Amino acid sequence: QSALTQPASVSGSPGQSITISCTGTRSDVGGYNYVSWFQHHPGKAPKLMIFDVNKRPSGVSDRFSGSKSGNTASLTISGLQTEDAASYYCCSYAGGIAVVFGGGTKLTVL
Amino acid sequence: EVQLVESGGALVQPGGSLRLSCAASGFTFSDHTVHWVRQAPGKGLEYVSSINGNGDVTSYAISVKGRFTVSRDNSKNTLYLQLGSLSAEDTAVYYCTRDAWYVRFDFWGQGTLVTVSS
Repeated sequence: QSALTQPASVSGSPGQSITISCTGTRSDVGGYNYVSWFQHHPGKAPKLMIFDVNKRPSGVSDRFSGSKSGNTASLTISGLQTEDAASYYCCSYAGGIAVVFGGGTKLTVL
Repeated sequence: EVQLVESGGALVQPGGSLRLSCAASGFTFSDHTVHWVRQAPGKGLEYVSSINGNGDVTSYAISVKGRFTVSRDNSKNTLYLQLGSLSAEDTAVYYCTRDAWYVRFDFWGQGTLVTVSS
């Protein structure tokens, strides 16, 4: 039950696009189309941004998109805005009722 | 309105125990698997435990297996996490979250802080 692998940090300027990767195994990311992404600001509850690899909940900007190839899922944020600065976590279904999170990526908007 | 409200966090000594609660409202509680997720100071989110809607299937992270016990009382719309043999590494904010469908964690509580220190 190892954590999914994410880069520790990424950065971008307002208006640019960034992509955060999330690498797992065939037992989690690669085995199911059930990957979610969460945005987390310090002191607040995490917020669901993407589910089922590439679906957006109602109210989430279409600047956020998700994809998957093999054992790696990705979150892309286009048209970066200062309020996007936060930590982002991927999460994958891992069979049964188990889940596994990524280690988190801190996004800095320069 | 869906709400999840955690409680029970406290300062506890190493080796001690604690029970956390998560009161749910605004939805049919028994229809959902629910999870505990924690965040230690300066660290990322970490999966802790899950329990299905009936309460007859549970799952634990390796780091807490054998020390923590998850349970639920659907008549009270409440999720519990019994923490035992606590160490400093268990210091964290503990969140409960509702699973709408396969890691679609659509609602989260605000968290409750557990501090393990002498």
